Amino acid sequence: AAGVIQSPRHLIKEKRETATLKCYPIPRHDTVYWYQQGPGQDPQFLISFYEKMQSDKGSIPDRFSAQQFSDYHSELNMSSLELGDSALYFCASSRRGMDNEQFFGPGTRLTVL
Amino acid sequence: KQEVTQIPAALSVPEGENLVLNCSFTDSAIYNLQWFRQDPGKGLTSLLLIQSSQREQTSGRLNASLDKSSGRSTLYIAASQPGDSATYLCAVMDYGQNFVFGPGTRLSVLP
Repeated sequence: AAGVIQSPRHLIKEKRETATLKCYPIPRHDTVYWYQQGPGQDPQFLISFYEKMQSDKGSIPDRFSAQQFSDYHSELNMSSLELGDSALYFCASSRRGMDNEQFFGPGTRLTVL
Repeated sequence: KQEVTQIPAALSVPEGENLVLNCSFTDSAIYNLQWFRQDPGKGLTSLLLIQSSQREQTSGRLNASLDKSSGRSTLYIAASQPGDSATYLCAVMDYGQNFVFGPGTRLSVLP
């Protein structure tokens, strides 16, 4: 069965650079969630989209933005990167009305040097 | 604000033991609760989803229960195996689609 796809899987950037993370949800899923997991931490919710509109906002820094496109894929844009942004970034998708069970992608490991 | 805690933080057991992982949440107005498994440096694998109207769910050797009124869920793992070694996270979703994770229980099953 198709799963959530994230790209790239690994990304190395320097401070003050920008990064774009991509997420392709499971087909027919209409909701996408982004999470940040720092070393030794539990995942923290950043932002979610439902039917291409922002649904909810968590602890997402102002330097980050995200959007969901017409094909339901989503991109997380991160600017002015800081050392503390180094983390695993997970995307999850769900289908509203189908238990809202979230299925997670493998994550993108971002390292900021 | 919803807070999720998990006890114990870490657990080491010999192979074959039955074990219970605990999850507590402060706001009982939840939409669902989900248990995940995470291997080191890897993604999250959904194990069981319990809707707020349900009391338990079972999948193979795993059984999860939910007592919404007391803000508790347990994950029961029967006949543990070394391959079960991982971090187990519970997460609750509220009616605003907010998903809050617990800190996880790190499980080691020794052969």
